[in-house]
Amino acid sequence: DVKVTQSSRYLVKRTGEKVFLECVQDMDHENMFWYRQDPGLGLRLIYFSYDVKMKEKGDIPEGYSVSREKKERFSLILESASTNQTSMYLCASSFGGRIGEQFFGPGTRLTVL
Amino acid sequence: GENVEQHPSTLSVQEGDSAVIKCTYSDSASNYFPWYKQELGKGPQLIIDIRSNVGEKKDQRIAVTLNKTAKHFSLHITETQPEDSAVYFCAASFAGSARQLTFGSGTQLTVLP
Repeated sequence: DVKVTQSSRYLVKRTGEKVFLECVQDMDHENMFWYRQDPGLGLRLIYFSYDVKMKEKGDIPEGYSVSREKKERFSLILESASTNQTSMYLCASSFGGRIGEQFFGPGTRLTVL
Repeated sequence: GENVEQHPSTLSVQEGDSAVIKCTYSDSASNYFPWYKQELGKGPQLIIDIRSNVGEKKDQRIAVTLNKTAKHFSLHITETQPEDSAVYFCAASFAGSARQLTFGSGTQLTVLP
């Protein structure tokens, strides 16, 4: 079975802190994605990566950055956390080539105080 | 970019009845339409998908229909069971990217015993 793991299920940080969210997949997928999920807004794409060291902005990249140094790992970075970044963060991965199924991790519930 | 609207936001049905969730999309070039189910405390999981070269696809109690002319697609669940209770998301491929999906806002389905 494909497994996508996220470093934390719950995280509480203070305003202004630098926050790292880690995601690891074990299926050698080329594509990896970071979404945030908010009630009534569905899943919104923050960033995605289709290869090591490659990244593309999604719909809401402001306030976030990403890093992909290894194929299996994709990190989301909040340079200076703000209260409006309190949300559920979901990581996903998929095979390269024709668009298809994305496999999601369990999510990280981030609270910024 | 792509815009996907999903209705209704909440849906309650009696066990054994059918449930229908509808989505509309804006980009006529979209060609891939998946549906995801998210159970409490878990990440979304693909339950069925359809590509634009077909109008309907079935998998046991679940079916998806696509009307490309009207730019809408629907999820049909027959003989609903309590374990169908979850949040369901539709999505559409974003023609500007070979990998990106745009998600709807989600439907909370509750199956009443």
